[in-house]
Amino acid sequence: DAKTTQPTSMDCAEGRAANLPCNHSTISGNEYVYWYRQIHSQGPQYIIHGLKNNETNEMASLIITEDRKSSTLILPHATLRDTAVYYCIVRAFTGGGNKLTFGTGTQLKVEL
Amino acid sequence: NAGVTQTPKFQVLKTGQSMTLQCAQDMNHNSMYWYRQDPGMGLRLIYYSASEGTTDKGEVPNGYNVSRLNKREFSLRLESAAPSQTSVYFCACRDPLTEAFFGQGTRLTVV
Repeated sequence: DAKTTQPTSMDCAEGRAANLPCNHSTISGNEYVYWYRQIHSQGPQYIIHGLKNNETNEMASLIITEDRKSSTLILPHATLRDTAVYYCIVRAFTGGGNKLTFGTGTQLKVEL
Repeated sequence: NAGVTQTPKFQVLKTGQSMTLQCAQDMNHNSMYWYRQDPGMGLRLIYYSASEGTTDKGEVPNGYNVSRLNKREFSLRLESAAPSQTSVYFCACRDPLTEAFFGQGTRLTVV
């Protein structure tokens, strides 16, 4: 699986958009970008994933650059409850046995 | 639909004691994983199982053993607990077409 690089921490004002970057310059053609978050030592929670097109769901939007070497997770209207560690993972969408490894993620703090 | 259930939720062990952490999923997923998370750190993969009957080492397997008892259950055993194994342990499951689902964790302290 490709290695990812994320900022250690970010702050965001409540109600504003939170834009979390992820660099994955060694991504392969069959690898997807996944985002998870972990709120206060709970089990991680899936947010969104994509291959090359931008994706949106009820939680967030995922913007992947045309060369796929980086991506941005967007929380359009961050709330205090979005304070969490956000993990960007790149992995192939093949088989159930692939290792699923997490980096250290970005600690997002949403403040009033 | 409980998803991924871990037992116990909390445990205190003395150095040298053994115990088994249990994980069960009702999602009919093939792959299951065990992670540990130390304070202020990310998740590190201990062992994973691609399917019933198979297990593979992750990043930090030393001091642990696993058993994939059946499709639903994946247990993690500490044969001789050490203070360095004090951590929060998470179990997860997934299938090729799904995201990963995590349990709520087992908080283990070894004194």
